[in-house]
Amino acid sequence: AQKVTQAQTEISVVEKEDVTLDCVYETRDTTYYLFWYKQPPSGELVFLIRRNSFDEQNEISGRYSWNFQKSTSSFNFTITASQVVDSAVYFCALRRAQGGSEKLVFGKGTKLTVNP
Amino acid sequence: DAGVIQSPRHEVTEMGQEVTLRCKPISGHNSLFWYRQTMMRGLELLIYFNNNVPIDDSGMPEDRFSAKMPNASFSTLKIQPSEPRDSAVYFCASSGTGVNTEAFFGQGTRLTVV
Repeated sequence: AQKVTQAQTEISVVEKEDVTLDCVYETRDTTYYLFWYKQPPSGELVFLIRRNSFDEQNEISGRYSWNFQKSTSSFNFTITASQVVDSAVYFCALRRAQGGSEKLVFGKGTKLTVNP
Repeated sequence: DAGVIQSPRHEVTEMGQEVTLRCKPISGHNSLFWYRQTMMRGLELLIYFNNNVPIDDSGMPEDRFSAKMPNASFSTLKIQPSEPRDSAVYFCASSGTGVNTEAFFGQGTRLTVV
């Protein structure tokens, strides 16, 4: 069975602070994909990143960076110099790469509040 | 591209009524997903289609729920009869061919059953 755990239910920071959102996953598959989605207060789900299990290189996109560590089954997300607009619920998700299922298994999400 | 389009954005209905949610996927995408989001259960997959064929409907809660995809550009999720516990945000998402793709979500339909 596949499972995604986001242990941090809510995080509150002050603008310009760095913040890391944790994601730990469980799967018996050797190949899989990991994702992060952002859900701002307006409610839509916005795709942020997809990571293949074969690729453990960290990725940086502007103020966003992702740290994938297969040894600890973690795919953490860091926002550098946070801004008020980063306030949202962030979801980590897992999907099989084999077996024909494209189902995304989501964590419960972490609500991030960035205060001015 | 207009993205995944869902309608209506909000729906309030009385218990026992039929509710139909609609989705237009991104043109060219061949996989379509219906997810439900609640406070208690989070985001859960209800059903997904590949090339208009239902592949996994194990998340459909019960016979009151049904989904169709008559063509590549349209899908419906129907609840009949609706119950208060069906109140949730229902998301439709679509993705392209192959596993090396991501799903793009619509803005969701907020359903309230009173």
